[in-house]
Amino acid sequence: QVQLVESGGGVVQPGGSLRLSCAASGFTFSSYGMHWVRQAPGKGLEWVTFIRYDGSNRNYADSVKGRFTISRDDSKNTLYLQMNSLRAEDTALYYCAKSVGLNIDPWGQGTLVTVSS
Amino acid sequence: QSALTQPRSVSGSPGQSVTISCTGTSSDVGGYNYVSWYHQHPGKAPKLMIYDVNKRPSGVPDRFSGSKSGNTASLSIAGLQAEDEADYYCCSYAGSYTWVFGGGTKLTVL
Repeated sequence: QVQLVESGGGVVQPGGSLRLSCAASGFTFSSYGMHWVRQAPGKGLEWVTFIRYDGSNRNYADSVKGRFTISRDDSKNTLYLQMNSLRAEDTALYYCAKSVGLNIDPWGQGTLVTVSS
Repeated sequence: QSALTQPRSVSGSPGQSVTISCTGTSSDVGGYNYVSWYHQHPGKAPKLMIYDVNKRPSGVPDRFSGSKSGNTASLSIAGLQAEDEADYYCCSYAGSYTWVFGGGTKLTVL
C-alpha cells in the first residue's frame, strides 16, 4: 500500500532554513504529482505547494511563494521542500500527500516545523 | 487564495443526518468539479471521504455523500455514528495547479 514518510522537521530560528523530505513507497512515484500541505497547531489545513509528476509545473500558496521550493528525485522516490526565510507563522505540521487526479490523497503522518528564537 | 468558508461547528444525535457546507467562488468551487472532503481525528492525518464532488473512495460508507450547487459544495452524513465525530475539511482545485482548503468544521455527535 501507499506509504509516505516525512522527515526533516525541527526547531529553527526566524530567518533560518530547513529542508523536509518525504520518502514514498507502494506506488510508481514518478507517475504522480505530489503536494505539501501544512497545519498550524490547533488550526486548519493549508495547501502549500504542488509539483507535477514530471516536474514540469509547480505552484505555491501566496504565503510561501519566493521562500519555499518543492522538488523531487524520482531515482530516490523522494519529495523535498526547501524552506528559506522562515517565519513564526510557518510553524506547523507539514504533510506530504499524493495527487490522484486533481485530488489530494493519501497523506503521510507529517513532520513538525517550529520557528522560534 | 482565500480559504473556503465552512461553519465552525455542527452537531447531531446518533442516527440523525447532518450537512456541512463549503462556500467558495467561481474561481474554485464553482469553476471546477474537483471538490473533496476529508475527516481528521485528533492527532491523525486527514482521510479522504469524498472526491470529485460526489465520489466515494472504496471503504467509505455510503452514509457519506457530496454535492455542489454553484459556488457551494456540501457534505451530508446520514445515520450519524459516534465515530463520525471529527473535524471535516473541504478542498477545491483552484486552477493553475493550486488548491484551497476550507477552514474546517467540528462535527459533534451528541
